[in-house]
Amino acid sequence: GNSVTQMEGPVTLSEEAFLTINCTYTATGYPSLFWYVQYPGEGLQLLLKATKADDKGSNKGFEATYRKETTSFHLEKGSVQVSDSAVYFCALSGGYSTLTFGKGTMLLVSP
Amino acid sequence: DAGVIQSPRHEVTEMGQEVTLRCKPISGHDYLFWYRQTMMRGLELLIYFNNNVPIDDSGMPEDRFSAKMPNASFSTLKIQPSEPRDSAVYFCASSLGAGRSTDTQYFGPGTRLTVL
Repeated sequence: GNSVTQMEGPVTLSEEAFLTINCTYTATGYPSLFWYVQYPGEGLQLLLKATKADDKGSNKGFEATYRKETTSFHLEKGSVQVSDSAVYFCALSGGYSTLTFGKGTMLLVSP
Repeated sequence: DAGVIQSPRHEVTEMGQEVTLRCKPISGHDYLFWYRQTMMRGLELLIYFNNNVPIDDSGMPEDRFSAKMPNASFSTLKIQPSEPRDSAVYFCASSLGAGRSTDTQYFGPGTRLTVL
């Protein structure tokens, strides 16, 4: 079956540091890949997505590239802000609109 | 659009009581999903509907849980009787699509359930 593995947190960074959150997946076929973000006390919001191999999703300075050869979809940002503190979820969709989520990675950014 | 609306936002109840969680999806969306989030198990898909019809309820933990979608703008998740281990945040999400893997799900703010 489908599965998503992402690095455990919390990830603690200083403002303006470089961010990488690793995500790897197992799936049959050609899934779409997503990053969702959850701010404290809120629901999940789509951050970015990629629907085929070598696609790069980007939004709000965050980027992730769909790497089929390494089954990965790592999230990166060049310079994090305090407001980026949240929990980040990697997810895949193998069809019929259903999503399989990773366990989430908490990011804490200090001033 | 107002987004996905869930009520109540917080629910505290005692073991054995019936709990009903409510969800209004984004207008025009034809898929609706119920998730449960806990520290131990992360996000779990409980059930999802397409055009008001339940498609897959294999994630519903046991018979105490039931979900309905009487029309395109309303769904309920009911727990009867509730138990302390049901304490979690329950999310509703909706999407507009044709069952494709590219569909984006839009989440509500969640209902935090505490069963004492």
